Amino acid sequence: DAKTTQPTSMDCAEGRAANLPCNHSTISGNEYVYWYRQIHSQGPQYIIHGLKNNETNEMASLIITEDRKSSTLILPHATLRDTAVYYCIVRAHSGNTPLVFGKGTRLSVIA
Amino acid sequence: NAGVTQTPKFQVLKTGQSMTLQCAQDMNHEYMSWYRQDPGMGLRLIHYSVGAGITDQGEVPNGYNVSRSTTEDFPLRLLSAAPSQTSVYFCASRRLRGNQPQHFGDGTRLSIL
Repeated sequence: DAKTTQPTSMDCAEGRAANLPCNHSTISGNEYVYWYRQIHSQGPQYIIHGLKNNETNEMASLIITEDRKSSTLILPHATLRDTAVYYCIVRAHSGNTPLVFGKGTRLSVIA
Repeated sequence: NAGVTQTPKFQVLKTGQSMTLQCAQDMNHEYMSWYRQDPGMGLRLIHYSVGAGITDQGEVPNGYNVSRSTTEDFPLRLLSAAPSQTSVYFCASRRLRGNQPQHFGDGTRLSIL
């Protein structure tokens, strides 16, 4: 079973920041938080990951709470092309551990 | 860069037929895996491999066989296709060590009549 809880769906106005929450209250010390998204029926696309510090890249920012029990993915200026299903996944640092996908959050960016 | 290449993109089979879905990556990734995605659902892991000659089962392995004879290729075999195996199949790869992101192929859409 996936170790994360995400809202089923969210809407966001184009140009606004999209804030996607994820609960991972049972995360252990060696587990990272990963975010992927799947646009329509394409293969999932990696967005960002982090352990305990906030992370930022060209696509998004990841904010992890101090107790690491939840996180938020932020798309600073959402566009229509960001409409997708967003998956929050926790995975141990060990290389053998597979990614386990839940049902994710369906983000709809509205013009 | 080709990345992860899956062939074919679409396939229709009759019940009982066999088929191999191909997956190749050119990034020298040790780890490769297969997922299936049913309509409106998340991805479920079928099989994975951490290197040539090593494979292991995921969440839904029944009805599927895999082998890993080279680093580059990780084919998925359906020995006797069933309608319940109608799905979209995704192959993925990544470096084994560290926290490297996983790269996915574009998928194979398989229908079994």
